Order: sequence, then structure tokens, then C-alpha cells
Amino acid sequence: NAGVTQTPKFQVLKTGQSMTLQCAQDMNHEYMSWYRQDPGMGLRLIHYSVGAGITDQGEVPNGYNVSRSTTEDFPLRLLSAAPSQTSVYFCASNPRQGGNEQFFGPGTRLTVL
Amino acid sequence: DQQVKQNSPSLSVQEGRISILNCDYTNSMFDYFLWYKKYPAEGPTFLISISSIKDKNEDGRFTVFLNKSAKHLSLHIVPSQPGDSAVYFCAAINFGNEKLTFGTGTRLTIIP
Repeated sequence: NAGVTQTPKFQVLKTGQSMTLQCAQDMNHEYMSWYRQDPGMGLRLIHYSVGAGITDQGEVPNGYNVSRSTTEDFPLRLLSAAPSQTSVYFCASNPRQGGNEQFFGPGTRLTVL
Repeated sequence: DQQVKQNSPSLSVQEGRISILNCDYTNSMFDYFLWYKKYPAEGPTFLISISSIKDKNEDGRFTVFLNKSAKHLSLHIVPSQPGDSAVYFCAAINFGNEKLTFGTGTRLTIIP
């Protein structure tokens, strides 16, 4: 199993550009989520999904869109990138709702100029 | 509103000694607490957890203690090893809303 994979590893955008961060897991986990990590802020939940076709907002959802058309994939879309979205983004999955340990991907480092 | 707090941004400990990382929380509805370890340029990895109905959980060199009345938990690592140098995140979950809430992290450095 590859676990949780994320692409790209690094990305530089200009303000106003849009892009999609990809996340995939091959563990058949129901629950997937996106976090951003900023210095001094820990990891903050952006959006999450409890299964295909179901998504919900986390703590910091503004400026981001998600969809969950399959169990495996959970892409995060930046609609119009802003410098405040410069961060490291982590995707995670776990096998059940309210699950205990989450499995994290390696992260995507995004810089918005 | 920071519901999970790690008030020490960094901690240095001599190799072989005990490392104690602390975490405080404000939400009495949390059902489960977890510790994650993170190396640079990698995703966090699960380390150890504890249910809110317990006060201690041990796994090898790692022990987590929970004091519900004080809303405080701690991670003890003994003996500390150089490979333990990493950022440690405390996290808590309320099974009712299924969201994992993280603290801000403590950078642990083990001095050889």
C-alpha cells in the first residue's frame, strides 16, 4: 500500500491563480481531511469528508473547495490564490468516523506570491 | 479560540533523560486524545493515544497521562533518544463532531 499520497510536493502560484492539490489513499478509508500548517498555529482543519459524496467545512474553509466523488480521492481546490494561503497542506485519512489515528500524506508546500 | 494548547514551543533534553511534553485543553467534551510526531518535510505520524475514560496509557518508551480534572495531558519519553528529536503535536477529538483539533506543537531536541 502507498498509504496517503499528495501531489505536487511544491507549488508556487501568483495571486489570483487557481489550482488543485491532489490527495489519494489506497486503504479504503471512509474519512479524509485537509489541514494546513502554519508557524505557531499547529494544524488547522480546512475541509473533511466522511465518505464519497459527503463533505463538510472545518475550522478555516474560506477560499477552498473540495469534492469527494470516490473513496480514494479528495482534491482541494484553491479558487483564487492569496498570499495568506501560503502554507504547508496535509491530507489525512482514517478508517472510520470519529476515528482515532489519522494517516497523513507527506504534504504540499504552497507559496503564493 | 485555541481549544488545545501546548504552551512550550520548544524543549531540550539530554539523551537518556526523561522528556515531558505538556498539553492543556479547554473543551470537556473531548473523547480521545492523541500525540503525533513530525519530522521536517514529512507528514505527522501517530505516536500514542488515550481515551478520556483512562488516566494512563503506555507503549514502550512512551507514556501518556491524562488528568481530566485539570484538563491536562502529558507525554513522557524515557529514555530519550536522538531519533526522538521532532515536533510533537497534541490532538483531541470529539466523537460527536468527528473533528480532530491540534495544538500548536512542541519542538523537542535531544542533546547527545
